[in-house]
Amino acid sequence: EDQVTQSPEALRLQEGESSSLNCSYTVSGLRGLFWYRQDPGKGPEFLFTLYSAGEEKEKERLKATLTKKESFLHITAPKPEDSATYLCAVQAAQGGSEKLVFGKGTKLTVNP
Amino acid sequence: DVKVTQSSRYLVKRTGEKVFLECVQDMDHENMFWYRQDPGLGLRLIYFSYDVKMKEKGDIPEGYSVSREKKERFSLILESASTNQTSMYLCASSLRAPNIQYFGAGTRLSVL
Repeated sequence: EDQVTQSPEALRLQEGESSSLNCSYTVSGLRGLFWYRQDPGKGPEFLFTLYSAGEEKEKERLKATLTKKESFLHITAPKPEDSATYLCAVQAAQGGSEKLVFGKGTKLTVNP
Repeated sequence: DVKVTQSSRYLVKRTGEKVFLECVQDMDHENMFWYRQDPGLGLRLIYFSYDVKMKEKGDIPEGYSVSREKKERFSLILESASTNQTSMYLCASSLRAPNIQYFGAGTRLSVL
């Protein structure tokens, strides 16, 4: 069974304090790994897609990396507006599935 | 920009009522999805559709049905609402895998 585990469940940072969020996965052939940001009471907003080990993508203060077993979302010098829940999801290659399997998310709070 | 529109942000219904949640996307996407999101349980797939009039059960289809008569519209139906269906409901759409799922803003449903 495909599984995604995110850690930590919650993370509090001071503004400017860099850190990383982890997404560990087990999947029968990875088709893609997706990172989303979700603000309270809103739908998830797409951030990144990674397809193969060694791939990296950046957007402003965020950088996503991928290995064969996990992905990291690195946050450099975060600001209070980066506070949100970050979701990781994987799409399996087996069976041509269109489905995403989501982790439970990491709730990030950045204090000024 | 991709737009996924859910017809209601908030709904309050009575136990036993029939409830319709509507979702419309404007990007000619083949795939459409319905999820529910609950604290501590994350995003769980209810149903998805990969073409007009085609549907597949997700992980938690019990108590729900869906309808897709037109490519741009995907409806979630609660035949007889129950209190355990109180949740945040999220609709998403995508092109064929592996492709980004774009989410609507969500409908927060309360069943009293």
